[in-house]
Amino acid sequence: GAVVSQHPSRVICKSGTSVKIECRSLDFQATTMFWYRQFPKQSLMLMATSNEGSKATYEQGVEKDKFLINHASLTLSTLTVTSAHPEDSSFYICSALPGLAGGPSVFGPGTRLTVL
Amino acid sequence: GENVEQHPSTLSVQEGDSAVIKCTYSDSASNYFPWYKQELGKRPQLIIDIRSNVGEKKDQRIAVTLNKTAKHFSLHITETQPEDSAVYFCAASRTGANNLFFGTGTRLTVIP
Repeated sequence: GAVVSQHPSRVICKSGTSVKIECRSLDFQATTMFWYRQFPKQSLMLMATSNEGSKATYEQGVEKDKFLINHASLTLSTLTVTSAHPEDSSFYICSALPGLAGGPSVFGPGTRLTVL
Repeated sequence: GENVEQHPSTLSVQEGDSAVIKCTYSDSASNYFPWYKQELGKRPQLIIDIRSNVGEKKDQRIAVTLNKTAKHFSLHITETQPEDSAVYFCAASRTGANNLFFGTGTRLTVIP
């Protein structure tokens, strides 16, 4: 079946540094990927929609200059958390859509970011 | 945007009993409603989904019902087992948009 991977699975960084998270569709092409953030014991919150070859669409309240998204190929989207602060510590999960629009999204395994 | 509410936030049932989780949504244009099971620190796993042209869907012990007029949908798990213990999320989206708006989650505990 369709598989989405994320790298790294865990990352610890110092406050003020930038962190890049990769999301890859392993056996299918994805023109659209989605980035979610999940704080402990909370729900998944959609951050942005990543579109191959064009700018990402950000949800209200998500700073596009802080969370840089690049979708340079049909199998890779990256999320860069710039100038990370402790409040950015969270579980970041991407998803992609194989097949026809409206079908079930396939989620990556998530990346746990801890900012010291 | 879409707003999805989910109840209850926690649910404990005895093994073998049924569990019901309910969600409401606000956007009448939403027409795809998946349910996910998430274990601690892991990715959400799709367990069942329903589209707005269907009122009910069943897959073994799991069923989902949808009332589009009232804008609510429910997850029913029968004959619960300890391995059903997890956090369950409902979600809603529009066809063609595919971005999911999640409910707040329900922590289900099945007591052996």
